[in-house]
Amino acid sequence: EAGVVQSPRYKIIEKKQPVAFWCNPISGHNTLYWYLQNLGQGPELLIRYENEEAVDDSQLPKDRFSAERLKGVDSTLKIQPAELGDSAVYLCASSLAWQNNEQFFGPGTRLTVL
Amino acid sequence: DQQVKQNSPSLSVQEGRISILNCDYTNSMFDYFLWYKKYPAEGPTFLISISSIKDKNEDGRFTVFLNKSAKHLSLHIVPSQPGDSAVYFCAARVINTGTASKLTFGTGTRLQVTL
Repeated sequence: EAGVVQSPRYKIIEKKQPVAFWCNPISGHNTLYWYLQNLGQGPELLIRYENEEAVDDSQLPKDRFSAERLKGVDSTLKIQPAELGDSAVYLCASSLAWQNNEQFFGPGTRLTVL
Repeated sequence: DQQVKQNSPSLSVQEGRISILNCDYTNSMFDYFLWYKKYPAEGPTFLISISSIKDKNEDGRFTVFLNKSAKHLSLHIVPSQPGDSAVYFCAARVINTGTASKLTFGTGTRLQVTL
């Protein structure tokens, strides 16, 4: 069974530029999560989707961050414009709606903003 | 406000010995606790979990203990192996009636198992 796929794995951009991350969850997983992980910290939830609906986006900085999951499968997280403090690892995870305790994580995208 | 705390950023243990990783939490509404293991350049992978109605859960070399009165849980690895060297995250879930719920993670403990 394929795991959660994320791309790109690494991204280096200059501040004020836009950037987008892509996630393909495990097949059949209705719930998709985007997490932010700063250096030396644990993952922090940015947004959670149930199918195509964002059911928890309270931690998403909406002035510069946006996300979509149009068909309830793949998801894209965008930052526009990026700031120096956005440098972090962005993790995507998915879970079966009824097995919500185990979330399967992708390898993450490491973003560096110069 | 760090609701899940892992106060030891690192731990070094000899191969074959017991590794004990600790985690404290402040939110009494947490009803489910999980440990995740993370290797460099990979995402966290689920290791073991425990419900708040239990005080112990065992899976092979891994055992998680929960002390609700102290709001403390620990992960025991016996015997420790070099392949266990990784960062371990404690995570907790708030009671939620929805179909999925938010996990709150600790800051992680880096375990090094030496030969």
